[in-house]
Amino acid sequence: GESVGLHLPTLSVQEGDNSIINCAYSNSASDYFIWYKQESGKGPQFIIDIRSNMDKRQGQRVTVLLNKTVKHLSLQIAATQPGDSAVYFCAESDPYGGATNKLIFGTGTLLAVQP
Amino acid sequence: GAGVSQTPSNKVTEKGKYVELRCDPISGHTALYWYRQSLGQGPEFLIYFQGTGAADDSGLPNDRFFAVRPEGSVSTLKIQRTERGDSAVYLCASSLKPTDTQYFGPGTRLTVL
Repeated sequence: GESVGLHLPTLSVQEGDNSIINCAYSNSASDYFIWYKQESGKGPQFIIDIRSNMDKRQGQRVTVLLNKTVKHLSLQIAATQPGDSAVYFCAESDPYGGATNKLIFGTGTLLAVQP
Repeated sequence: GAGVSQTPSNKVTEKGKYVELRCDPISGHTALYWYRQSLGQGPEFLIYFQGTGAADDSGLPNDRFFAVRPEGSVSTLKIQRTERGDSAVYLCASSLKPTDTQYFGPGTRLTVL
């Protein structure tokens, strides 16, 4: 939503550089993870997901890495563009949610791309 | 194709009033979720529908909140006796099946004066 950057961790990068956004998740039993991008005034937009039987997954200009040992997830964006500026959330599927697949979201990181 | 749509985009109401927020999921998606996002936070789960039934309403904060999905498509989130603390963006998401990717709508920004 709007103004979410006021108290969020911020990553500032130059256009064309690679960006790495990190996320620590809470539950070692979680088996499904998703990255969402949220621009001001809009809903979260799906970027990429990964299941716990993988440690890396690549999309177009994005790569997600999963380290289950330390419960850490990262999103790498190659050749960052001004249009990548947004708040990025990692989310995990609640492992105790049964068939619901309700998502637990992290705090979010504001990515600011400098032209 | 059309994504998830939500109406209204903004709703301003007075404390104590009743509000309804609408969600139109992606056509054919059987799973529908409501989340609430407060300023500077990530979305928090409220309720999940599989078809017409509320399969999990564990995230609803209290009995002032209720949601329906009578025909298994459109859903309405209803809030009675609104309080200032209910002010937030209410997001709806849908997925083809519960295990599939959730796609979010633009949200309804609710402001309770």
